[in-house]
Amino acid sequence: DSGVTQTPKHLITATGQRVTLRCSPRSGDLSVYWYQQSLDQGLQFLIQYYNGEERAKGNILERFSAQQFPDLHSELNLSSLELGDSALYFCASSADSSGTEQYFGPGTRLTVT
Amino acid sequence: AQSVSQHNHHVILSEAASLELGCNYSYGGTVNLFWYVQYPGQHLQLLLKYFSGDPLVKGIKGFEAEFIKSKFSFNLRKPSVQWSDTAEYFCAVNAPSTGRRALTFGSGTRLQVQP
Repeated sequence: DSGVTQTPKHLITATGQRVTLRCSPRSGDLSVYWYQQSLDQGLQFLIQYYNGEERAKGNILERFSAQQFPDLHSELNLSSLELGDSALYFCASSADSSGTEQYFGPGTRLTVT
Repeated sequence: AQSVSQHNHHVILSEAASLELGCNYSYGGTVNLFWYVQYPGQHLQLLLKYFSGDPLVKGIKGFEAEFIKSKFSFNLRKPSVQWSDTAEYFCAVNAPSTGRRALTFGSGTRLQVQP
């Protein structure tokens, strides 16, 4: 157990819908990273937040957005869902903003039908 | 842009065989290197990491990796694999000193250990 929690574990929804994935970092960690793991794209970085502020953006679609709240948990919002958005979404946390050691959560498996 | 290549996509070994998984990265600056393991249905777990110093790094579960700067490589090794090592292995790199804090992952190597 890494100490990073993610909910829900599984999510099945239809195309065009919007979902919210939630992540709670390890106690004391200020940075949260979101990654997407899909069969065709592999593991890709989406976005990083540090202490409530966006720090870095990767291959995140405009239909996707995220935020980090004052209690440091983070939410990833995915809207206008397409079949190709089906993937495992991982959250990772690290103590500082440098990302030298990231601890991963169990992931949320999103299936878009 | 930095990238990570893992040349072996699927490796099948018998128990007690030795393992070496290749990882090469393309980035000219100072990097941090990582190997993560993902057991079936589970999250990514850190096996080992290299930031600086001794290029031979020892991790958990008997794994080690060697950083060869001239070859831009960070290969993972284990002298004798067990059935429980069956998993997917990912090499990753970041470069915080240049602002690249997020991990760039290789495509992964699926290891299957046969009893």
